[in-house]
Amino acid sequence: GESVGLHLPTLSVQEGDNSIINCAYSNSASDYFIWYKQESGKGPQFIIDIRSNMDKRQGQRVTVLLNKTVKHLSLQIAATQPGDSAVYFCAETGLGGTSYGKLTFGQGTILTVHP
Amino acid sequence: DGGITQSPKYLFRKEGQNVTLSCEQNLNHDAMYWYRQDPGQGLRLIYYSQIVNDFQKGDIAEGYSVSREKKESFPLTVTSAQKNPTAFYLCASSGAVGSPLHFGNGTRLTVT
Repeated sequence: GESVGLHLPTLSVQEGDNSIINCAYSNSASDYFIWYKQESGKGPQFIIDIRSNMDKRQGQRVTVLLNKTVKHLSLQIAATQPGDSAVYFCAETGLGGTSYGKLTFGQGTILTVHP
Repeated sequence: DGGITQSPKYLFRKEGQNVTLSCEQNLNHDAMYWYRQDPGQGLRLIYYSQIVNDFQKGDIAEGYSVSREKKESFPLTVTSAQKNPTAFYLCASSGAVGSPLHFGNGTRLTVT
């Protein structure tokens, strides 16, 4: 079936640096993309989302970029902090009919922030 | 506080026993979901329900069963037919179309 994958399984950065986590998706019909952060032993926590009619969306210290031409999604974290250390997942779904809510998740990227 | 509550956090069972995982939400969300997560992997959809008294199979429904008798509750039963039941199970809910899923903190099931 369709899948969402990540280029880099691990990413190590220094505190204060900017981090970029990438994601490739294969379902060109996907309408809605979400980034989640998961800390050890906890459920995924929503970070930011973007719809297919947008190419950029900003939140607090985070930016999501969507390139539909090459089916690529990225999460940028500014001034990365030790508390940002976690596993980051991208997920995608359609917004129409029964596909809604059936998120397809990528494998995840482990982000480690060194003080 | 609004949220999703999964219980228990850790669950241990012997092979051949059925076990039911609880999921309750007070977010007034119509849709609820069960995902399974294995070490070093993403989440895979087991079952989902978009409205009370209705649910659909996800990608890996074999060996699992659910019910949705109340809007707030979506229990998952892991049956003895599930070949590899040891995993981290996550429940989620969502509101309007185009809004993100909110997850509980999971139940870690170990079957020996």
